[in-house]
Amino acid sequence: GENVEQHPSTLSVQEGDSAVIKCTYSDSASNYFPWYKQELGKRPQLIIDIRSNVGEKKDQRIAVTLNKTAKHFSLHITETQPEDSAVYFCAAGRNAGNMLTFGGGTRLMVKP
Amino acid sequence: KAGVTQTPRYLIKTRGQQVTLSCSPISGHRSVSWYQQTPGQGLQFLFEYFSETQRNKGNFPGRFSGRQFSNSRSEMNVSTLELGDSALYLCASSSSGADTQYFGPGTRLTVL
Repeated sequence: GENVEQHPSTLSVQEGDSAVIKCTYSDSASNYFPWYKQELGKRPQLIIDIRSNVGEKKDQRIAVTLNKTAKHFSLHITETQPEDSAVYFCAAGRNAGNMLTFGGGTRLMVKP
Repeated sequence: KAGVTQTPRYLIKTRGQQVTLSCSPISGHRSVSWYQQTPGQGLQFLFEYFSETQRNKGNFPGRFSGRQFSNSRSEMNVSTLELGDSALYLCASSSSGADTQYFGPGTRLTVL
């Protein structure tokens, strides 16, 4: 089955700096890669996703890149703000969501 | 549209008991997936239902089961509870299963 590894497990940055979280996946058939943000005590919320026919996608301060050959994808957050502090999960799946395999999560702390 | 809802939000059970959790998807969504979230194992896929049929299943024992009703509401059942079943159980809905998944707030199950 699919295996998703996520690094780093914790990340501390100063407000205004950029943050990068990286994930690798094992199943070359995976074609959908969402990123979720989970604040303490709350549900995971989708922040951005990318499908395998696209190499990069951007939404304001958030961008995701995908390298299908190397089977890795990354989340980039620019100009970080304290409210970006949360746990971020990457995931991989087929057919855009039937069954997602999640990475272990990254706890991002943005220091004011 | 109203978001995904889950009931109850909190449950305390003892070992050996069984429990039923409920999930109401976003109106019009026909796919419901269930995930278990624990600090040690992270987010793990349990199963997915689409049009009242189980379409995908994760690597969980047969004590974990589910069903979906004609109105797309879904229930999951855990029989013969074990201490290790303590977790946050999240459901997620999508329109067809080939689309973005939206999570509910989860049911926090504690097994004593």
